[in-house]
Amino acid sequence: GQNIDQPTEMTATEGAIVQINCTYQTSGFNGLFWYQQHAGEAPTFLSYNVLDGLEEKGRFSSFLSRSKGYSYLLLKELQMKDSASYLCAAPFGSGYNKLIFGAGTRLAVHP
Amino acid sequence: DTEVTQTPKHLVMGMTNKKSLKCEQHMGHRAMYWYKQKAKKPPELMFVYSYEKLSINESVPSRFSPECPNSSLLNLHLHALQPEDSALYLCASSQAPLGDWNSPLHFGNGTRLTVT
Repeated sequence: GQNIDQPTEMTATEGAIVQINCTYQTSGFNGLFWYQQHAGEAPTFLSYNVLDGLEEKGRFSSFLSRSKGYSYLLLKELQMKDSASYLCAAPFGSGYNKLIFGAGTRLAVHP
Repeated sequence: DTEVTQTPKHLVMGMTNKKSLKCEQHMGHRAMYWYKQKAKKPPELMFVYSYEKLSINESVPSRFSPECPNSSLLNLHLHALQPEDSALYLCASSQAPLGDWNSPLHFGNGTRLTVT
């Protein structure tokens, strides 16, 4: 089976730090992706984790724990333009050839 | 050139019309995808083409017909659609098919389809 869970909505203040969690259940594991999607626009790739630990890319970092089936996206020094949906996604299927998305977390950044 | 280009941006069609959505990438990617996205929902996988061959059809109704004329182009032919098919249709490509190599999917800006 396949299941990816994320909180539906989050709010945060400009300049703050926010952590968006993602849990997944799968009979196998072959990496986890994070995408950002602004309203009415295409999803854009943020990060990919396949090994445990933290991957840092500027203001955005992503963490993975395979034993816990858990990932998070950490956004630092929040800016108004970070208001968007953040989608956790994982390859599923017998050959891990389908990228399936979680429902997404809508983040609203306030002044 | 790192873009996936989709045309048209918007499309309104009646239930008896036949139309096509087009997608193009010139990144040398060997896998291309169609996703459907309803408002406030995540993208849902429809079709996957690997090395120009259809590798995955997620039980999509036959009124949607994909075509991959060459490694750079992907079409989605539409016929006898229903109002509930109104959605944003996203095309994506990746360097290699997922499962061969987990390179990220690059998405186009989508075609917003309205079926009347």
